[in-house]
Amino acid sequence: DAGVTQSPTHLIKTRGQQVTLRCSPKSGHDTVSWYQQALGQGPQFIFQYYEEEERQRGNFPDRFSGHQFPNYSSELNVNALLLGDSALYLCASSLYPTRGYNEQFFGPGTRLTVL
Amino acid sequence: GENVGLHLPTLSVQEGDNSIINCAYSNSASDYFIWYKQESGKGPQFIIDIRSNMDKRQGQRVTVLLNKTVKHLSLQIAATQPGDSAVYFCAENIAAAGNKLTFGGGTRVLVKP
Repeated sequence: DAGVTQSPTHLIKTRGQQVTLRCSPKSGHDTVSWYQQALGQGPQFIFQYYEEEERQRGNFPDRFSGHQFPNYSSELNVNALLLGDSALYLCASSLYPTRGYNEQFFGPGTRLTVL
Repeated sequence: GENVGLHLPTLSVQEGDNSIINCAYSNSASDYFIWYKQESGKGPQFIIDIRSNMDKRQGQRVTVLLNKTVKHLSLQIAATQPGDSAVYFCAENIAAAGNKLTFGGGTRVLVKP
C-alpha cells in the first residue's frame, strides 16, 4: 500500500517564476492538506482540499493556490515566487474529518529553493 | 538529506535512558494534540495523539501527558534508542476548525551511544 507521494523531490526556481507541486494521497484517503515548513520551524498550514474544493485556508496570500482532481490527487501552485517562499512543502492526506479530526499522513515533501 | 533542526532546542539523551520532550500549546479550545517525529529527509511521522478530555495516553514505548491547566503537553520515550534521533513536533487541532493542524516549534533529540 503506497503512502503519500510527492513530486518533484527538489526544485530550484528564480524570483517571479511560478511553480507547481504534486501530491498523491494514501490509498483510500479523500482529503489533502498542504503545509509549508521553513528551515528549523514547524509546518504551517496552507490549505485543505476535499471533493475538489478548497475547504480551509491558512494565512497565506492568493499567490498560493491549489487544485484537487477526481482521483483525489492534488497540486499546489505558487505564483510570483519570492525568496521567502523557499521551504519544504509537505502534503498530508486523511479521510475527511466529519468529526473534526482524523490522523494525517505526510509525504516526504518537495524542497523548493527560490534564487 | 534534509536538515529540519538547524535552530531548534536540542535534547541529548544517552541510549537506554528515558526522554521527555515538552510542548506548550496556545489554544485552550484545542480538541486533539498530536506528536510527530521528523527524520532528516522525511515528512513528519505520526507517533501518538491524545484527546483533550484525557490526561494520559500510552503507546509502544511512548506516553503522552496533557495538563490543560497550564496548557502543557509532554512526550515520554522509554529506553531511548538511536533510531529515536529526530526532530519532534507537537501539533494541536480544533474540531470546529476541521482537520487543520497547528504545529509547535519542535525539539531535536540526539541519542548518544
